[in-house]
Amino acid sequence: QVQLQESGPGLVKPSQTLSLTCSVSGDSISSGGYYWSWIRQPAGKGLEWIGRIYLSGGTNYNPSLKSRVTISVDTSKNQFSLKVTSVTAADTAVYYCASEWGAPGFFSYWGQGTLVIVSS
Amino acid sequence: DIVMTQSPDSLAVSLGERATIKCKSSQSVLYSSNNKNYLAWYQQKPGQPPKLLIYWASTRESGVPDRFSGSGSGTDFTLTISSLQAEDVAVFYCQQYYSDPSTFGQGTKLEIK
Repeated sequence: QVQLQESGPGLVKPSQTLSLTCSVSGDSISSGGYYWSWIRQPAGKGLEWIGRIYLSGGTNYNPSLKSRVTISVDTSKNQFSLKVTSVTAADTAVYYCASEWGAPGFFSYWGQGTLVIVSS
Repeated sequence: DIVMTQSPDSLAVSLGERATIKCKSSQSVLYSSNNKNYLAWYQQKPGQPPKLLIYWASTRESGVPDRFSGSGSGTDFTLTISSLQAEDVAVFYCQQYYSDPSTFGQGTKLEIK
């Protein structure tokens, strides 16, 4: 069973870059069939899919964030990462990493989430 | 983007009674080539990540109690809890994965009456 754990700074200043890492255990991030996603949830609000990366290094992003988001993978560390540039208070949220299996679709595994606050 | 709209926003049901949550998509999420509805349901308890309950609109995830069931096709879907238990109190979300960006409903908060 795949386990996911987010890590990164809990406080980011406006206009700076938010950087988070998701550590994967229980299977190799390079195993075929997995798609690795980031999803966020502002306090008291709903879920927003940010984007995904998959084995070939291909990425898909939500058009609403595409210009500011980069998702990358480090197979040697069994991790994947999220960067969001030029953050504002609207980027304050709990950020989850999650995985899809077989094809882009539903999210079978989730990390516990990490709260990122954008504030000076 | 496909817009997912859930109803109601909140719901209070007595223990042992049936709870029904609706989800409507702005366009069909039924893929005609495989006759599958690209619709999932999640349960989120306070301070926890969402938990997958149902996928392909009606397939229960392993380990999910059989009091949870999903139905519907095309643009209209329903999550039913046949006999509400205290541990079912949560916010429930539907999600379409028919096309990117994948989108979620706004959530339905389920409470005990």
